[in-house]
Amino acid sequence: DQQVKQNSPSLSVQEGRISILNCDYTNSMFDYFLWYKKYPAEGPTFLISISSIKDKNEDGRFTVFLNKSAKHLSLHIVPSQPGDSAVYFCAASAPQGGADGLTFGKGTHLIIQP
Amino acid sequence: KAGVTQTPRYLIKTRGQQVTLSCSPISGHRSVSWYQQTPGQGLQFLFEYFSETQRNKGNFPGRFSGRQFSNSRSEMNVSTLELGDSALYLCASSLGRVGETQYFGPGTRLLVL
Repeated sequence: DQQVKQNSPSLSVQEGRISILNCDYTNSMFDYFLWYKKYPAEGPTFLISISSIKDKNEDGRFTVFLNKSAKHLSLHIVPSQPGDSAVYFCAASAPQGGADGLTFGKGTHLIIQP
Repeated sequence: KAGVTQTPRYLIKTRGQQVTLSCSPISGHRSVSWYQQTPGQGLQFLFEYFSETQRNKGNFPGRFSGRQFSNSRSEMNVSTLELGDSALYLCASSLGRVGETQYFGPGTRLLVL
């Protein structure tokens, strides 16, 4: 049973527009959420994170929104650039007592079109 | 600071063999976690080591094991390799506190023939 779901395997966005990547989770114990970006043949690169005590975190062009009641988070990239084309993974972790490493979604392949 | 390094980057083995992968964490990081990435299952947590002790373990068979040394470097071992073990094995390091961000290495691509 997938505890972290990214329902869109791929997303195509025009350069300069906003990219919105979505992620849903089922485990209410998760309290820390992260987004990673991955290029082929490389390890995931950390992008941005959010703790469950917040509903928004911003870092440059990247903003993550967390809706705890809906168990949903999203990553907004504005404006989208060609170098943003990659696979984006949403990940979640629980407090140490229930820790099970990071639980990842299956990823969304973002394609930025010129 | 240097990032997480993993060796080797690529490896080909045959069924029944065993393999050892190595991970050097970011300097000062005491936690090392291992993940397996396959096209069908995505990224799955194998185990985490902190201060030379296995702190957490995912749902993988006992053929998958690891250890951590006093300098925080970690090794992962897979015995009696199966075709399904072909995957990208990723190592991630962090300071080890709850809620810490994990930083990933480039991975080791293992192909089992």
